[in-house]
Amino acid sequence: QKEVEQDPGPLSVPEGAIVSLNCTYSNSAFQYFMWYRQYSRKGPELLMYTYSSGNKEDGRFTAQVDKSSKYISLFIRDSQPSDSATYLCAMIEWNDNAGNMLTFGGGTRLMVKP
Amino acid sequence: DARVTQTPRHKVTEMGQEVTMRCQPILGHNTVFWYRQTMMQGLELLAYFRNRAPLDDSGMPKDRFSAEMPDATLATLKIQPSEPRDSAVYFCASGPSGRFTDTQYFGPGTRLTVL
Repeated sequence: QKEVEQDPGPLSVPEGAIVSLNCTYSNSAFQYFMWYRQYSRKGPELLMYTYSSGNKEDGRFTAQVDKSSKYISLFIRDSQPSDSATYLCAMIEWNDNAGNMLTFGGGTRLMVKP
Repeated sequence: DARVTQTPRHKVTEMGQEVTMRCQPILGHNTVFWYRQTMMQGLELLAYFRNRAPLDDSGMPKDRFSAEMPDATLATLKIQPSEPRDSAVYFCASGPSGRFTDTQYFGPGTRLTVL
């Protein structure tokens, strides 16, 4: 079993829909959680990070963490065609030598249709 | 706008050939990571450096892969000999290492195809 599980999709939604992306993890040592967005043929880029249970909002994006259930979510409101990308959750464990060590989920491919 | 650069962006080679991928981290970042991304395995960490010193390369097939940082502005990943199963996108990422909220900044990747 992988440390981080993420539904690969693809997830296809109409423009304006609310999108829910989810990850589960098994390692209690993970302390911070990040969401990366990866456009086709590009490198991943940080979208949001959070470290505590609860919600964090940034514009149309809301990250939610439930540490007791080892479950994180990313919600996208009013989805746009420009949101079409692969979304990767990343679990962070602190390493004294290298700082933040990231363990990635497999990514969910999202397609927002006009 | 500082960013991680990688060369080449695409590489097609034949099995058995040597492949060298290069990465220029963001100036001032002291940690460098190499990842491999495939459809089946997702993003896998291959190796990482801090202040140019290799800290962990347990994710790499030791017999054929090697990673080095000859200086602070250059990281290299070499495969010799290459095999078809090495076909993947290889990403380099760099980052500071002082805070929990520090993130890694990824380059555009090198898309490797081994025939």
